[in-house]
Amino acid sequence: DARVTQTPRHKVTEMGQEVTMRCQPILGHNTVFWYRQTMMQGLELLAYFRNRAPLDDSGMPKDRFSAEMPDATLATLKIQPSEPRDSAVYFCASVDTGGNEKLFFGSGTQLSVL
Amino acid sequence: AQSVTQLDSQVPVFEEAPVELRCNYSSSVSVYLFWYVQYPNQGLQLLLKYLSGSTLVKGINGFEAEFNKSQTSFHLRKPSVHISDTAEYFCAVRAAGNKLTFGGGTRVLVKP
Repeated sequence: DARVTQTPRHKVTEMGQEVTMRCQPILGHNTVFWYRQTMMQGLELLAYFRNRAPLDDSGMPKDRFSAEMPDATLATLKIQPSEPRDSAVYFCASVDTGGNEKLFFGSGTQLSVL
Repeated sequence: AQSVTQLDSQVPVFEEAPVELRCNYSSSVSVYLFWYVQYPNQGLQLLLKYLSGSTLVKGINGFEAEFNKSQTSFHLRKPSVHISDTAEYFCAVRAAGNKLTFGGGTRVLVKP
């Protein structure tokens, strides 16, 4: 079955370190989302891309977060420097907006910043 | 702009009892509506979606939802729940070309 792959599944790091999360969307999907899930805020949209172009990253703290799609098979989310408040589960999702509108989620990256 | 409100943050329910999860949305344009389920320690999975056509939508695992345009609602129902339905359920809305916006989630706890 086609699936969205996220790595790493878990990441523990110290405050101030750089964190890079990777996502491989489903082949042929033209839109990729990054969401952050916390107990307090629920699911927040951080950024999304269509055909590799960033469409909206207003949900992302610009001073420390950056999202890119270097090619159609890879999306990255970087945090530099990381802070304890960044601890959350980060989900990537992809969809073919010209298809059946079914959004596929990855299993998430559980990030803990100490 | 669009928004989604899930009125119940937690719903405890006994096994084999019916459950309804409420979802209301606001949008100035026509929308697509979705329900997603998140089992413990997993990503989200699509339960069902409304794009157009019949307002009663049937999804996986015996769930169904009804789109009510006048009330801007998309409530999710299941006539008889199982222990395995214990999960968090998210309602979501997307206007054509726009981002998918999620509600705050409803945690369903099915008790034996």
